[in-house]
Amino acid sequence: QKEVEQDPGPLSVPEGAIVSLNCTYSNSAFQYFMWYRQYSRKGPELLMYTYSSGNKEDGRFTAQVDKSSKYISLFIRDSQPSDSATYLCAMIHNDYKLSFGAGTTVTVRA
Amino acid sequence: EAQVTQNPRYLITVTGKKLTVTCSQNMNHEYMSWYRQDPGLGLRQIYYSMNVEVTDKGDVPEGYKVSRKEKRNFPLILESPSPNQTSLYFCASRGAGGLEETQYFGPGTRLLVL
Repeated sequence: QKEVEQDPGPLSVPEGAIVSLNCTYSNSAFQYFMWYRQYSRKGPELLMYTYSSGNKEDGRFTAQVDKSSKYISLFIRDSQPSDSATYLCAMIHNDYKLSFGAGTTVTVRA
Repeated sequence: EAQVTQNPRYLITVTGKKLTVTCSQNMNHEYMSWYRQDPGLGLRQIYYSMNVEVTDKGDVPEGYKVSRKEKRNFPLILESPSPNQTSLYFCASRGAGGLEETQYFGPGTRLLVL
């Protein structure tokens, strides 16, 4: 069983829709939870990170962590074609090692 | 501009021909790592380095070597490449702060081993 499970999609939504992405994990030792965005032919870039259970907002993006269920989510409101990318969840132990999900490919149709 | 650079960006080679992928960062970061990205498997760590002359295996180190002789450089060496090493490779770096430190990724090297 993988430490981090993420539905690879692909996900296709119309412009303006809410995009909902999620990951589950098995290791309760994970301390920080991150979402990376990867455009085609580019390296991943950090979008958001959270530490505790609850919600964190940044503009149109909301990251949610539920440590009791070992479940994290990313919501994108008012999605734009420029949001079309692969979104990877990642989690870190206290040994600095990142564990990634497989990534979900999102297409926002104009 | 803060960045991680990798060379080459694209490489086609044949089985058994040694190759090196270079990685360099200009942010004075202590921590550097190499990942490979394969469809359905996400990013998997190959090797990492906590500082100069300190390296350790990640999740998939077989068939790879690394060295860290200078803080800014972290080359990935494939002594005898095989077709199952065909993949997209990323170098990354981060500072030695807390766990929340951002990891910066290079643009990737796409390798095809025939």
